[in-house]
Amino acid sequence: NAGVMQNPRHLVRRRGQEARLRCSPMKGHSHVYWYRQLPEEGLKFMVYLQKENIIDESGMPKERFSAEFPKEGPSILRIQQVVRGDSAAYFCASSRGTGETDSPLHFGNGTRLTVT
Amino acid sequence: SQQGEEDPQALSIQEGENATMNCSYKTSINNLQWYRQNSGRGLVHLILIRSNEREKHSGRLRVTLDTSKKSSSLLITASRAADTASYFCATEHTGRRALTFGSGTRLQVQP
Repeated sequence: NAGVMQNPRHLVRRRGQEARLRCSPMKGHSHVYWYRQLPEEGLKFMVYLQKENIIDESGMPKERFSAEFPKEGPSILRIQQVVRGDSAAYFCASSRGTGETDSPLHFGNGTRLTVT
Repeated sequence: SQQGEEDPQALSIQEGENATMNCSYKTSINNLQWYRQNSGRGLVHLILIRSNEREKHSGRLRVTLDTSKKSSSLLITASRAADTASYFCATEHTGRRALTFGSGTRLQVQP
């Protein structure tokens, strides 16, 4: 049973380019979460999605950032017109659905974005 | 802010010793969870304690929760060099499904 798969593992973009980060949740999981981590810091929540719906995007910047979780295919976190401050590790996590509480998150190994 | 805060930020101990990490939070929770992160990897879930529980054990891990003080502790007994990692507490707050993570404790276990 594959875990949460994120790709690419490393992504280098020049300022002004677009970054697309992909996340395939664990089999049977319909809830996806995106977090951002700066070096030596904790994870900062960005967005929580269920299939085809954004449930909570309170941690995601209003401009340049967007996320989707289509009916078919992986969840995508898109960052347009990247700036150096976007350099970070972006982690995706998934959990079982139906609004269940007390359900731990399963994390991928992250995508490390470097903006040059 | 709901964010949990771990204490200490860094901890260095000898193999065989116990390691204790603390976490504080600010608003009411459904549960509190502890995660481990090895360098360059994702987080791995260790243990979950519900708001109506006071203590929980899993192998060499012991977690306590004091909701009156809004704090939790993680105890790792008989530590091993392989326990070297960063440890994060995460809280699921009432009315909000997404977890809020603290800034972590970096544990170094010397062989």
